[in-house]
Amino acid sequence: QSALTQPASVSGSPGQSITISCTGTSSDVGTYNLVSWYQHHPGKAPQLMIYEGTKRPSGVSNRFSGSKSGNTASLTISGLQAEDEADYYCCSYAGSSTWVFGGGTKLTVL
Amino acid sequence: QLQLQESGPGLVKPSETLSLTCTVSGGSISSSSYYWGWIRQPPGKGLEWIGSIYYSGSTYYNPSLKSRVTMSLDTSKNQFSLKLTSVTAADTAVYYCARYISGSWDVWGQGITVTVSS
Repeated sequence: QSALTQPASVSGSPGQSITISCTGTSSDVGTYNLVSWYQHHPGKAPQLMIYEGTKRPSGVSNRFSGSKSGNTASLTISGLQAEDEADYYCCSYAGSSTWVFGGGTKLTVL
Repeated sequence: QLQLQESGPGLVKPSETLSLTCTVSGGSISSSSYYWGWIRQPPGKGLEWIGSIYYSGSTYYNPSLKSRVTMSLDTSKNQFSLKLTSVTAADTAVYYCARYISGSWDVWGQGITVTVSS
């Protein structure tokens, strides 16, 4: 069970859009539509932003969207705001009641 | 509103056992279809799934930690727990408990920092 692969960092200016990729394998991301994304501000609990690949929980801005193609899932944040600056993690179900997280991506709003 | 709170010692000596408890309020850990899990974040690193326990008591562990991990439920106290044996400095991390339902870890505790040091 290897960690999902995410870029270490991404950046964008306010108002722009950014996309964070999350690459797994045919044993996790590629097989299950159970990728979730979390926003993590240091010192706080991670917050769920996207679940089942594309769904947004109640209360999460529609500026956040998710997608998947093959073994790669993606999180897109449109209309970047300063408050979006945080670490973002993807997570995928990997079968047999196991899960795997990505290494995390640090988003900097310039 | 469901809330989770981790508790346990913040300092553990090398080779000893790390023991943490997650207290669930605002809901029952016996409710069907929920997994309860432990996830950790070592300093400067990403999140790592440690293991999960189903509401029925079935347990599932990260293969890399399986030989050292035990999780259990205490339905009378509405708590679940984690034991990690033979700890080393590599087990130093912030440990989170969380609930899994409908494809996501939707509720998390605030996390507890555990340092392994003599």
